[in-house]
Amino acid sequence: AQSVAQPEDQVNVAEGNPLTVKCTYSVSGNPYLFWYVQYPNRGLQFLLKYITGDNLVKGSYGFEAEFNKSQTSFHLKKPSALVSDSALYFCAVSRRDDKIIFGKGTRLHILP
Amino acid sequence: DAGVIQSPRHEVTEMGQEVTLRCKPISGHDYLFWYRQTMMRGLELLIYFNNNVPIDDSGMPEDRFSAKMPNASFSTLKIQPSEPRDSAVYFCASSSPPRAYEQYFGPGTRLTVT
Repeated sequence: AQSVAQPEDQVNVAEGNPLTVKCTYSVSGNPYLFWYVQYPNRGLQFLLKYITGDNLVKGSYGFEAEFNKSQTSFHLKKPSALVSDSALYFCAVSRRDDKIIFGKGTRLHILP
Repeated sequence: DAGVIQSPRHEVTEMGQEVTLRCKPISGHDYLFWYRQTMMRGLELLIYFNNNVPIDDSGMPEDRFSAKMPNASFSTLKIQPSEPRDSAVYFCASSSPPRAYEQYFGPGTRLTVT
């Protein structure tokens, strides 16, 4: 069975500092990996994906994520955090079918 | 495109009542997903459709829940009878091949059962 874990319920970062939101996954075969973001009172928005190719993928709003097969991780990163990045972030995994499994989410607080 | 449309945005009902949530996917999208989000359980996939046909309903919690997709532009999620533990935000999402994994979410329906 496929699963995804986000070990931190909340991450606090000062504005301008780099941020990392952690994600590890478990899936048989090659994974499809995703990050989604949810702002208050809104639905989830797709941020970026890893399907194949370069381990470092770039997405919307300056975010990027690094696929690490040996560590089964797909951490979300941004070099310089903005207050507007404060939101709930979901990591997700799929096994090339249409259903994707979401993690429980990590709340990111960017402190001014 | 207006995006995924859900109605109502908020629903407050009493225990035992029937609740119907509605969703209009993005035009041309072949996949439609229903999710439930709570603080305790996070985001759960309830059911998804492909070309109006239910593909996987293993996430539907019990027989009180049912979902239909009579045509490509409309889906309903019904709870009958409703219970307080059904209180949650219910999201509808749609997607289209070949990027079936890139789902577009609606704004959600916040359901409160008293």
